[in-house]
Amino acid sequence: SQQGEEDPQALSIQEGENATMNCSYKTSINNLQWYRQNSGRGLVHLILIRSNEREKHSGRLRVTLDTSKKSSSLLITASRAADTASYFCATVAPSGNTPLVFGKGTRLSVIA
Amino acid sequence: DAGVIQSPRHEVTEMGQEVTLRCKPISGHNSLFWYRQTMMRGLELLIYFNNNVPIDDSGMPEDRFSAKMPNASFSTLKIQPSEPRDSAVYFCASSFGSFGEQFFGPGTRLTVL
Repeated sequence: SQQGEEDPQALSIQEGENATMNCSYKTSINNLQWYRQNSGRGLVHLILIRSNEREKHSGRLRVTLDTSKKSSSLLITASRAADTASYFCATVAPSGNTPLVFGKGTRLSVIA
Repeated sequence: DAGVIQSPRHEVTEMGQEVTLRCKPISGHNSLFWYRQTMMRGLELLIYFNNNVPIDDSGMPEDRFSAKMPNASFSTLKIQPSEPRDSAVYFCASSFGSFGEQFFGPGTRLTVL
């Protein structure tokens, strides 16, 4: 299965701290994507990292990918209350024929 | 661009009634996805289309569920007859190609009484 599995299931931190979420998957990938979902809303794409990339940055987000361990991590630096949301990873198979399969997500709470 | 548009945003119906959910993907996108999200099961892919053709409907729970995409700018997900266990938030998403990011609509919250 291409399904990503996020860890931890829930994370609570203070505003200003860094938040790290992890994702593991089982088979080869073309790319791995991270999404955010605010309560009651649709998912929003955050960042895509390709299988030949090891690290990618976007603002306060840093994503790493270790294809040998089949794992990825999402780091949010200097967290804000507005970062409170669920975060999902999902992978795309090399063929591209299998669509994204999402895990159950990590619920992040940032306390002001 | 208005993004992915879904209607209705909320639907409350009684068991046994037919429910039709609608989605307008982003113009130019050629892949469309229907998802269902519940607390118990998380986000589940129901079906996806590529160039208006259904590619994989293995996630459709039962024959009560059907989906169509008559053209590149419109898709429907129909439940007939509806049951209380169908209560969930249904999302539509679109993308350009199979590899890229998906753009999600705001979802339809369905409650079947």
